[in-house]
Amino acid sequence: DAKTTQPNSMESNEEEPVHLPCNHSTISGTDYIHWYRQLPSQGPEYVIHGLTSNVNNRMASLAIAEDRKSSTLILHRATLRDAAVYYCILRDEANSGYALNFGKGTSLLVTP
Amino acid sequence: EAQVTQNPRYLITVTGKKLTVTCSQNMNHEYMSWYRQDPGLGLRQIYYSMNVEVTDKGDVPEGYKVSRKEKRNFPLILESPSPNQTSLYFCASRRQGLFDGYTFGSGTRLTVV
Repeated sequence: DAKTTQPNSMESNEEEPVHLPCNHSTISGTDYIHWYRQLPSQGPEYVIHGLTSNVNNRMASLAIAEDRKSSTLILHRATLRDAAVYYCILRDEANSGYALNFGKGTSLLVTP
Repeated sequence: EAQVTQNPRYLITVTGKKLTVTCSQNMNHEYMSWYRQDPGLGLRQIYYSMNVEVTDKGDVPEGYKVSRKEKRNFPLILESPSPNQTSLYFCASRRQGLFDGYTFGSGTRLTVV
């Protein structure tokens, strides 16, 4: 799977939007962009995934650049419960099996 | 509630004493896997199973065994635990085909002394 680059940490104020960036300049045409998060003392949790078009679900939005070399996870209104490590993962399911390659992720701090 | 259940949550054991960490899912998922998480190394896959009686090694399988006799259960077996297997372990499952995310358990913190 292609590599992703994320900032080590970010900070946000409660109730403000958060934009978590991910660079993936070597992404292939069949790589899906996945986001997971891991809250303290819990297992990773699926957030969202997409291929080319922007995606929305109840947890977040995923904005994908037109050239697909970067993407942004958007939390529309951060809460204290959103403090977690966020992982951006590329997966080509057709060619690379089902394993998830977690990098170091971005540690999000949310302050009241 | 759809979930992956791991037991125990915490375990302290001694070197060489065989142990089993259980994992069960109630979503009828075909695929299950085990990860370990270590500081500075992140999450790494130990073993996975595509379906009943089908298992294969992940990135760090040494010292571990698994079995998949039933679809819902995927136990992780440490025949002779060593201190370097002290770690936080996660079980995960997903269905094959249509992707709607992996579901992870809450983790098992294992300490081998």
